[in-house]
Amino acid sequence: DVKVTQSSRYLVKRTGEKVFLECVQDMDHENMFWYRQDPGLGLRLIYFSYDVKMKEKGDIPEGYSVSREKKERFSLILESASTNQTSMYLCASGNRGSQETQYFGPGTRLLVL
Amino acid sequence: GENVEQHPSTLSVQEGDSAVIKCTYSDSASNYFPWYKQELGKGPQLIIDIRSNVGEKKDQRIAVTLNKTAKHFSLHITETQPEDSAVYFCAASRGGNFNKFYFGSGTKLNVKP
Repeated sequence: DVKVTQSSRYLVKRTGEKVFLECVQDMDHENMFWYRQDPGLGLRLIYFSYDVKMKEKGDIPEGYSVSREKKERFSLILESASTNQTSMYLCASGNRGSQETQYFGPGTRLLVL
Repeated sequence: GENVEQHPSTLSVQEGDSAVIKCTYSDSASNYFPWYKQELGKGPQLIIDIRSNVGEKKDQRIAVTLNKTAKHFSLHITETQPEDSAVYFCAASRGGNFNKFYFGSGTKLNVKP
């Protein structure tokens, strides 16, 4: 079974703090993704990576950065957390190519005070 | 880019009834259509998918149909049970190196006992 794990299920941070969210997958997938999920807005893509050290902006990259130093690990960084970044963050991984699915982690619920 | 619309946003059915959720997409190059189920506090889980060379796929009480001409696909759940209550997301993808998914806005299904 594919396994995608995220470092924290719940996180509480203060405005201005630097926040790291970690994601690890065990299926040797080339692609990894970070989404945020907010009520009524569905899943929005923040950043994704198609290879080690490679990254692409998604639809809402402002205020975020990412790091992929190893194939199995993809980190999302909030450089200076703000209250409007309070959300559910979901990591996913999958293979390149046609008709390949994405597998999601359990999510991290982040509260920024 | 691709645009995926999903209806209805909420659906309430009696246990044992059928439930149907519909999605439309705009990019005729999309060729992979997964459906995810998200239970409260968890990450989305793939429940069924369909590829563009197939018109229908069934897995026990769940089926998905695809109409490429009309660019729409639907999820059908028969003999619904209370444990089917969750949020369901459709998605569309055209594959490639990035293999980005475009998600619908989600349907909250409530199955009343």
